[in-house]
Amino acid sequence: QSMLTQPPSVSGAPGQRVTFSCTGSSSNIGANYDVHWYQQPPGTAPKLLIYNNINRPSGVPDRFSGSKSGTSASLAITGLQAEDEADYYCQSYDTGLDGWVFGGGTKLTVL
Amino acid sequence: QVQLVQSGAEVKKPGASVRVSCKASGYPFTSHGITWVRQAPGQGLEWVGWVYPYNGNRKYAQKLQGRVTMTTDTSTNTAYMELDSLISDDTAVYYCARDPGDNRVDHWGQGTLVTVSS
Repeated sequence: QSMLTQPPSVSGAPGQRVTFSCTGSSSNIGANYDVHWYQQPPGTAPKLLIYNNINRPSGVPDRFSGSKSGTSASLAITGLQAEDEADYYCQSYDTGLDGWVFGGGTKLTVL
Repeated sequence: QVQLVQSGAEVKKPGASVRVSCKASGYPFTSHGITWVRQAPGQGLEWVGWVYPYNGNRKYAQKLQGRVTMTTDTSTNTAYMELDSLISDDTAVYYCARDPGDNRVDHWGQGTLVTVSS
């Protein structure tokens, strides 16, 4: 069972906006540790999508945005495209485990 | 450009050890850490640990303490992850990734499938 909770699946039609939630606790997100998001298309290695809650690495479109509040974080994608179909993982640091934690991942289906 | 190239797939018997390598290029090897993450078939990502080449500091996931060892060779810009006393639950794709030092990674290797089977 992951320390960070993500819904198993999300879906949306092309052009729509979708959001992904990542719920933690007072030992990780709520302890003011940053949240990072990774995108993993089928059969490929993950790729950094958002770092330090809100920042996009160079090359990541501004359709992707992140936010954090309290013990939770969110990822939003606007203008959904077929190529966005992938698994999305949130990640942070946990003081209880004294290590990194990942969410269980959310599978995005583009209808 | 930053590249992390990992060694090939491995098949091991329970109780054996496996060593996966990760050769870095495109940046000063000692300027970043190397983090290892694994992914069991059909499952999510799991942090294994990290190692910093410039001083050898390392940290491992609690559940793997005592079985995992991470090292680096700065003469060849290569990081290694060794996992001992393999069990079937260790079957996974093992990824190395570059770690800028703020509890995240920014570039990933292609992954190495380790299969533990009798």
